[in-house]
Amino acid sequence: AQSVTQPDIHITVSEGASLELRCNYSYGATPYLFWYVQSPGQGLQLLLKYFSGDTLVQGIKGFEAEFKRSQSSFNLRKPSVHWSDAAEYFCAVGDAVSSTLGRLYFGRGTQLTVWP
Amino acid sequence: EPEVTQTPSHQVTQMGQEVILRCVPISNHLYFYWYRQILGQKVEFLVSFYNNEISEKSEIFDDQFSVERPDGSNFTLKIRSTKLEDSAMYFCASSEGTVSYEQYFGPGTRLTVT
Repeated sequence: AQSVTQPDIHITVSEGASLELRCNYSYGATPYLFWYVQSPGQGLQLLLKYFSGDTLVQGIKGFEAEFKRSQSSFNLRKPSVHWSDAAEYFCAVGDAVSSTLGRLYFGRGTQLTVWP
Repeated sequence: EPEVTQTPSHQVTQMGQEVILRCVPISNHLYFYWYRQILGQKVEFLVSFYNNEISEKSEIFDDQFSVERPDGSNFTLKIRSTKLEDSAMYFCASSEGTVSYEQYFGPGTRLTVT
């Protein structure tokens, strides 16, 4: 069965520092991969997605992620974090080949704290 | 920008009571979903809904749960007899299509069962 692991429950970085949030997935075929962000009181907002093609994906708010099939990873990066990036980040995988079209499998989330 | 809305934002209920969580998906979307997140755990898929019927449901979505689209705008999740373990954040989502289409999520309803 599909699964997603986000090894870091909580990460703290200083404003202006670089950021990398880790995500590993378990899936037999080429997955559809997503990163969502949730700010307090808000819904989950899509940052970026990978379906096929270029393995380096650009998203909103200056985020990018790289799909590495050999490592079953889809890590999220940002070169310089802003205080407004403090939120919870969720990695998710979608199933493209079975009858469970549309169903997303989420990781547990990583809470990002940004120090001024 | 269109958004998914959910009401109420927080619901407190006693064990054994029925609750209805409400969602208004984005108006031109055709696929609707419910997910939940128990505190400290993963966001889990509950059910997907298309063309006025359930497309898929997870093992969590037992006979105590039901979904309905009572009119052209609302999408509801009903829990018939709540248990303590139903306490969670419930997210509604909608999308234009499946697979490659973004799911737009609402802000969630926090359900507390006492």
